[in-house]
Amino acid sequence: GDSVTQMEGPVTLSEEAFLTINCTYTATGYPSLFWYVQYPGEGLQLLLKATKADDKGSNKGFEATYRKETTSFHLEKGSVQVSDSAVYFCARYSGAGSYQLTFGKGTKLSVIP
Amino acid sequence: KAGVTQTPRYLIKTRGQQVTLSCSPISGHRSVSWYQQTPGQGLQFLFEYFSETQRNKGNFPGRFSGRQFSNSRSEMNVSTLELGDSALYLCASSAGQVKETQYFGPGTRLLVL
Repeated sequence: GDSVTQMEGPVTLSEEAFLTINCTYTATGYPSLFWYVQYPGEGLQLLLKATKADDKGSNKGFEATYRKETTSFHLEKGSVQVSDSAVYFCARYSGAGSYQLTFGKGTKLSVIP
Repeated sequence: KAGVTQTPRYLIKTRGQQVTLSCSPISGHRSVSWYQQTPGQGLQFLFEYFSETQRNKGNFPGRFSGRQFSNSRSEMNVSTLELGDSALYLCASSAGQVKETQYFGPGTRLLVL
């Protein structure tokens, strides 16, 4: 079935460091891909998305490119801030016939000053 | 636009009881999905409704049920609660089309004692 695999943390970085969180997905169909972020005690917030191959999603300095050839959607940010500390989830959405998001297990990021 | 709202935010029940959770989607959204989040299993899909019809259901026992009303609001019910049902229950809404993004509410945290 559909699945998403992302690097498990926790990941601890110093402020202004470069961030990469790896994510790969099963290639069934033509899924949309998402990164969601969850702050303590809250629900999921959409961070960015890409709906087709070679699309680049970006938001708040975060970027991810939909790579069909490597079935990857890695999240990157050039300079992290303390406020980026959260849990990040990669997800794929299968539309017609499924209508569900399949999530990776989440990566907890801690950014220290 | 107001976001997805969920009530109640916190709930404590005892084993064997039943519980009903409510979700109001973003205005104009016709699709509502429910997810269960636990530390051990991560985020798992429960079911999805579109225009009062369940289009898909995840791999959960029949104790978990849901419905959607004509105004797109949705409820999920869990009967005969078990300790393992303790979780954060997240509701998400979307316009319901194939590539549409799902937007999440803050969740209802259920504790079963």
